[in-house]
Amino acid sequence: QSVLTQPPSASGTPGQRVTISCSGSSSNVGVNPVTWYQQLPGTAPKLLIYSNNQRPSGVPDRFSGSKSGTSASLAISGLQSEDEADYYCAAWDDSLSGYWVFGGGTKLTVL
Amino acid sequence: QLQLQESGPGLVKPSETLSLTCTVSGGSISTSIYSWNWIRQPPGKGLEWIGSVYSRGSTYYNPSLKSRVTISVDTSMNQFSLDLTSVTAADTAVYYCARLGGKTGARYFDYWGQGTLVTDSS
Repeated sequence: QSVLTQPPSASGTPGQRVTISCSGSSSNVGVNPVTWYQQLPGTAPKLLIYSNNQRPSGVPDRFSGSKSGTSASLAISGLQSEDEADYYCAAWDDSLSGYWVFGGGTKLTVL
Repeated sequence: QLQLQESGPGLVKPSETLSLTCTVSGGSISTSIYSWNWIRQPPGKGLEWIGSVYSRGSTYYNPSLKSRVTISVDTSMNQFSLDLTSVTAADTAVYYCARLGGKTGARYFDYWGQGTLVTDSS
């Protein structure tokens, strides 16, 4: 059971806009920045979004992030076949001594 | 370009200790603002943060694994290591090493190793 909650799957057709949600609590998403990672099959995760809505250099502006309260979202516009991957949200959790927590991951299928 | 590479046995016997090393190249592990992390992913499942170490030796662990985990750093070899004791089938996973980069208030895992699969031999 992951600390952050994501839908297990999402789908869309090429060109569509898809959003993936990430729900947390007052000890993680509610008070700390959210990051998003993309994991293509058989590869290591790759940083996609940091500080809720910032894109590292090289990440297309089709990817965007937002946060409100204890929930965050990743949006992908102009969906492409190469976007088919698993997506994970993460945040620092202030409870106990503090630790990083991840969502369970969302598998995005491009139909 | 910073690169991280995991190494260690791919099979561990139940109740024994899983030991992995991450070798960092293309940059120094001694940069104090960064932490060096272990993250694992059971087959077909999500990511789980195991813990981290800074170059000066301070460590942080996932509370669910804290009693079994030790992470250490060897700055002379530009390596950091993971020891996980009393292994069970539940510890079968791909183990990644990763750098926590960014700056205070905006931290993220920016460099990852390719991952290494560790399976319990049961």
